Amino acid sequence: QVQLVQSGAEVAKPGSSVKVSCKASGGTFSSYAITWVRQAPGQGLEWMGGIIPVFDTTDYAQKFQGRITITADKSTNTAYMVLSSLRYEDTAVYYCARPLSQLLLTNSFNIWGLGTLVIVSS
Amino acid sequence: SAELTQAPAVSVALGQTVRITCQGDSLRNFYASWYQQKPGQAPVLVIYGKDNRPSGIPDRFSGSRSGDTAALTITGAQAEDEADYYCDSRDSSGDTVVFGGGTKVTVL
Repeated sequence: QVQLVQSGAEVAKPGSSVKVSCKASGGTFSSYAITWVRQAPGQGLEWMGGIIPVFDTTDYAQKFQGRITITADKSTNTAYMVLSSLRYEDTAVYYCARPLSQLLLTNSFNIWGLGTLVIVSS
Repeated sequence: SAELTQAPAVSVALGQTVRITCQGDSLRNFYASWYQQKPGQAPVLVIYGKDNRPSGIPDRFSGSRSGDTAALTITGAQAEDEADYYCDSRDSSGDTVVFGGGTKVTVL
């Protein structure tokens, strides 16, 4: 069974960038999209964007366009999410997730990482 | 962008049935998925597609759709079902995904 292992918690200053990684172990990587979802404290889930590694295609939520970059390294089965120009309101737990269906940037995420806490603080 | 609307909270007596709804235009074209999230944990997929449960999800969870509204029904709610529940769907364009705001289910 595939597991998604995320990098550790980060503290970043306003205006800076943060890079979070998500390594897939135990199964196929390239043919499944990796999606990033965040959850601010006490708030709901928010879809940020995703990548299909085998195609290197990405899609981003309009809200994050220009501030987010999602990449994938097929040689290490790892996806990355970089969020730049950080604001206090970017403080959240960031999850990577994988959908049931291959080759689609779609919903129905049956595999989730444990989450990475990013705190934006001066 | 598309929106999915959920009621903020609902309560259900132990052993009774509760229906959680999710409304949005994208649901006319795409099925919702439903997730259960307990405090401090990652979400867990409980329903996807027309009415499909991943392995390990009890059959008291079921899904349905009518028009622009999807629903998650818990038949015979248990104490362990107390959690936040989120729906999601592909956006009307099909290229992105949108989540509902979540419904907190309290089992009395």
